[in-house]
Amino acid sequence: QSALTQPPSASGSPGQSVTISCTGTSSDIGSYKYVSWYQQRPGKAPKLMIYEVSKRPSGVPDRFSGSKSGNTASLTVSGLQAEDEADYHCSSRADSNNVGVAFGGGTKLTVL
Amino acid sequence: EVQLVESGGTLVQPGGSLRFSCAASGFTFKNFWMVWVRQAPGKGLECVASINPDGSETFYVESVKGRFTISRDNAKNLLYLQVNSLRADDTAAYYCATAEWFKSDYWGQGTLLTVSS
Repeated sequence: QSALTQPPSASGSPGQSVTISCTGTSSDIGSYKYVSWYQQRPGKAPKLMIYEVSKRPSGVPDRFSGSKSGNTASLTVSGLQAEDEADYHCSSRADSNNVGVAFGGGTKLTVL
Repeated sequence: EVQLVESGGTLVQPGGSLRFSCAASGFTFKNFWMVWVRQAPGKGLECVASINPDGSETFYVESVKGRFTISRDNAKNLLYLQVNSLRADDTAAYYCATAEWFKSDYWGQGTLLTVSS
């Protein structure tokens, strides 16, 4: 069982916006700005899309945005495109384990 | 271009051992924290071990403590994960990744470990 809770699936039509949630506790998301989101296509390695809650690495489209409120972080994908179909994983600095990072179980985003 | 290339994955019997390697290039390896992250089939990601830049500090998730050992050779730009006393629930793809400020910018392609009799 993952330390952070994500919905198993999300979907939207091309051009729409979709938001994926990631719920933790006061020992992780609630206490730290170190929330990241990763995109993973089938058979591929994860790719960093968002870090420190809302920052985008170079090359990530501004259609991807992140936010946080209390113990819950969110990833919003605006203007959905077919290429956005993938699994999305959240992570956070965490006090709950020795390695200091916890992940969510992942959300499968389907573009209808 | 940053590259991380893992190797060592295979089919192992329960109780067995093996060592994963991760060859790094395209960045100053000795300056980075590194992690091993695993993903069981159809499951989420789990960071199982981390190591600081000079290798003097290592951390493990509770489920692998005492069985897994992370290490590095900064002269050869290599990261390792020694895994012992393997169990069926260790079956996963194992990724090496950089780890700066609790994010992983660079990942390898992964290597698959299957633990089965």
